[in-house]
Amino acid sequence: SQQGEEDPQALSIQEGENATMNCSYKTSINNLQWYRQNSGRGLVHLILIRSNEREKHSGRLRVTLDTSKKSSSLLITASRAADTASYFCATAYSGGGADGLTFGKGTHLIIQP
Amino acid sequence: EPEVTQTPSHQVTQMGQEVILRCVPISNHLYFYWYRQILGQKVEFLVSFYNNEISEKSEIFDDQFSVERPDGSNFTLKIRSTKLEDSAMYFCASSDGNLYNSPLHFGNGTRLTVT
Repeated sequence: SQQGEEDPQALSIQEGENATMNCSYKTSINNLQWYRQNSGRGLVHLILIRSNEREKHSGRLRVTLDTSKKSSSLLITASRAADTASYFCATAYSGGGADGLTFGKGTHLIIQP
Repeated sequence: EPEVTQTPSHQVTQMGQEVILRCVPISNHLYFYWYRQILGQKVEFLVSFYNNEISEKSEIFDDQFSVERPDGSNFTLKIRSTKLEDSAMYFCASSDGNLYNSPLHFGNGTRLTVT
């Protein structure tokens, strides 16, 4: 089955530093999405990158996608304490439009003030 | 900004009881989903719903589960006879297009505790 798997599982950095999280998956995808989850809350969509795209930016976020390696990375630049959260990648299988997203286990990011 | 709302935020029930989890998706959205997250584990897909019928369901979504859109605004998940292993956060999500084009908007979830 196709899966998004993030690494590292946990990351603790100082405020102002950059945070990089990686995601790997197994099968062909239509797109890959990144979501953030604050403790006890729902997931918030951050960015969607299609399989024919290699890089996408949104504010302090930069996402790359390498379909040959079946991997993606999320870079958060100039991190802030408010970025503390869990970050999940999720893949949309290319074989159907109504199937659910497949989420990874997430990276728990802690930004130390 | 419009948001997905879920009620209740926390539901405690005894094993074998029926529970109904309620969701109000964003009003102009057409696709609706339920996901669950067991504590410390992945967010798992349960079911997708479009055009008043189930589009896709996972292996988790067995005969104990059902979904309904009883009116133009609510979207419910029913678990007929709860088991201890149904304890999880249940998230409703909606989108204005399918997964090829549109991100999901999630509610804050219902924490279901089965005792």
